[in-house]
Amino acid sequence: EAGVVQSPRYKIIEKKQPVAFWCNPISGHNTLYWYLQNLGQGPELLIRYENEEAVDDSQLPKDRFSAERLKGVDSTLKIQPAELGDSAVYLCASSYWQGNEQFFGPGTRLTVL
Amino acid sequence: DAKTTQPPSMDCAEGRAANLPCNHSTISGNEYVYWYRQIHSQGPQYIIHGLKNNETNEMASLIITEDRKSSTLILPHATLRDTAVYYCIVMTTDSWGKLQFGAGTQVVVTP
Repeated sequence: EAGVVQSPRYKIIEKKQPVAFWCNPISGHNTLYWYLQNLGQGPELLIRYENEEAVDDSQLPKDRFSAERLKGVDSTLKIQPAELGDSAVYLCASSYWQGNEQFFGPGTRLTVL
Repeated sequence: DAKTTQPPSMDCAEGRAANLPCNHSTISGNEYVYWYRQIHSQGPQYIIHGLKNNETNEMASLIITEDRKSSTLILPHATLRDTAVYYCIVMTTDSWGKLQFGAGTQVVVTP
C-alpha cells in the first residue's frame, strides 16, 4: 500500500514569493490534515479536511495561507507571499476517518531566504 | 484541553526494554492517550492508543494507571531503529483527529 505522498520534498524561495505544496493521501482515506513543524518542536495542525470540506482551519493564517482539496482526494497548501518565519517542514497526513490513526507523509522542507 | 508532560530525553541500551513515562494529570473521562514517534527527517508514525485498559500491539505496550493520570509506553526490545522523538498526546472525542503534539521525549538507543 502506497503511503502519503508529498511534493516537493525541499523548496527554497525568496521572501515575498509564492509557494505551493502538494499532497496525495492514502487511497480511501477521507480525512486529510496539514501540519506545520518548526525546528525542535512538535507538529502543529493547520487545517483538517473531511472529504472536500475544511472542518477545522482555526490555526491556518488566512491572510497568507490557503488550502484546497478538490474532489476530496489530493490537496494543495499555498503560501502567498512567503515570509522568513515560514521556514519549516510542512507535513500532510491522512486517516480513514477523523478518529483513526493518522498516516504522515515525509514532509516538505521550506526555506525562505 | 489536557496537557502531557514527558521527560525531554532518555537513553536506552539496545535489546533492553525502554519505558517512556507520560503524565496527564488533568485528563478527562473521554480523552484517549495516543503515542506517536518521529524518526529523524520522517513524518510522525502512530504507535498505539488507549482509553483506560492496557493495550499491546506489535510495536509496543501501553500501560495506563488506574487513575489515568499517567501512562507508560514500553518498547520491549529496543533496537537502533527505535531512536526517535516519542510523543504522548491526549485526544478528546469532542475533537477527534486533533493531535496536539508537545515537545516529546528524544529516545536514543545505543549499541
